[in-house]
Amino acid sequence: QKEVEQDPGPLSVPEGAIVSLNCTYSNSAFQYFMWYRQYSRKGPELLMYTYSSGNKEDGRFTAQVDKSSKYISLFIRDSQPSDSATYLCAIGRQAGTALIFGKGTTLSVSS
Amino acid sequence: DTAVSQTPKYLVTQMGNDKSIKCEQNLGHDTMYWYKQDSKKFLKIMFSYNNKELIINETVPNRFSPKSPDKAHLNLHINSLELGDSAVYFCASSTTLLDGELFFGEGSRLTVL
Repeated sequence: QKEVEQDPGPLSVPEGAIVSLNCTYSNSAFQYFMWYRQYSRKGPELLMYTYSSGNKEDGRFTAQVDKSSKYISLFIRDSQPSDSATYLCAIGRQAGTALIFGKGTTLSVSS
Repeated sequence: DTAVSQTPKYLVTQMGNDKSIKCEQNLGHDTMYWYKQDSKKFLKIMFSYNNKELIINETVPNRFSPKSPDKAHLNLHINSLELGDSAVYFCASSTTLLDGELFFGEGSRLTVL
């Protein structure tokens, strides 16, 4: 079983839709959870970062972590064409080890 | 003023050649990384340096050799290029190795013919 699983999509939604992106992970030792956004031909950039189970909100974005189910989600409300990008979950195991990235979900929001 | 800059952005070369990619960060970070992103967008760590010291060396062929002359620079040299080396190589930096927030460069797209 891979350490991090993420459905690559692609996911196409109309403008204004609520988008749900998800990752599952296998090792309960993972301690911190991130979502990166990558526009075409650009490097990934950090979008959300959380340590604990529960929800974290930032504008139209909500990151949700359920450690008991080993499941993390990113919700995008009122999606915009500018949200069209690849979203990568990233999980950190412990201090001094590299982040493990999911394969990314490509999202397209049409106007 | 670009935070993490890589050169060149594009490389097209023949199998068997040697090539280098350079990376510089002006964020004052202690830790730098090389990641490889394949055609399916899978991003995988290759190397990490912390204050010029190699910390992480994933299962990467010996043909790949990183070098960090100082903590602001991390270069990647690839010998005897193979078709499977075609990918986008990203340099990244973070405040420390404990920090999950990575700052990525724009990538160097390598095509091996």
